[in-house]
Amino acid sequence: GESVGLHLPTLSVQEGDNSIINCAYSNSASDYFIWYKQESGKGPQFIIDIRSNMDKRQGQRVTVLLNKTVKHLSLQIAATQPGDSAVYFCAEEADSSYKLIFGSGTRLLVRP
Amino acid sequence: SQTIHQWPATLVQPVGSPLSLECTVEGTSNPNLYWYRQAAGRGLQLLFYSVGIGQISSEVPQNLSASRPQDRQFILSSKKLLLSDSGFYLCALTPGTGNEKLFFGSGTQLSVL
Repeated sequence: GESVGLHLPTLSVQEGDNSIINCAYSNSASDYFIWYKQESGKGPQFIIDIRSNMDKRQGQRVTVLLNKTVKHLSLQIAATQPGDSAVYFCAEEADSSYKLIFGSGTRLLVRP
Repeated sequence: SQTIHQWPATLVQPVGSPLSLECTVEGTSNPNLYWYRQAAGRGLQLLFYSVGIGQISSEVPQNLSASRPQDRQFILSSKKLLLSDSGFYLCALTPGTGNEKLFFGSGTQLSVL
C-alpha cells in the first residue's frame, strides 16, 4: 500500500544553521509532493511543492529535493530561524486522485 | 483567494452525544472538500472527501459521517461520539481547477470525555 514516512521524529538545530528534513515514500506512481508546516493548534500551511518531472525546486529560504530512484524527498531550510519551529509534514498525491497521503511529521526545534 | 471557516475552535463533548462540525468556504467555486483528523502528535488521516454537492467518499470505516448540502458547505457528524473520536479535525479544500494544492482551515479540537 501507499505510505509516506519520515526518518527523524525530532530535529534540533541552532539558529542560523541549515535544516534538512527527510521523507520516504513507497508509491512509485506518486507524481506530486508537498511540504506543510504546522504550528501548535493551527492547521497546516503550504510551504512548497514539487512534481515528479523535477528533482529540485527552490522557494524563499526553502528547497525541496526529490530522488525518485530511492523514493526520497527532503526539505532544506536555510538560515533556520526561531519562527521555523513547528512540525513539518510531507505528503504525496496518489494517482492524481486529489487525495494527499501524509507522513507522521517531524518536529523542528530551533535553539537560540 | 479562498478562505475556509471552521467552528467551533474547541469542543468538549460527553461520550454518546451527537456531533456536528461545520466548514464553509469562500473565494472559490466547485472545490473539492476534505475532512482530516489528527491525533495528538501524529499525522493527518483523511476521513472524507467530496467532489461535489451530495457526493461523499469515505476513506476509513468509522463512527462519523459527512454531508455536503451546498457547494461551499461541508459537515462532519456523528450520532454517538466515542472516546476514540477525540482529535483535531481539519477541513481542507483544493480549488478543483487542476490545482492539487490542499488548503487547510484552522481546525476544531474535539475532546470526548
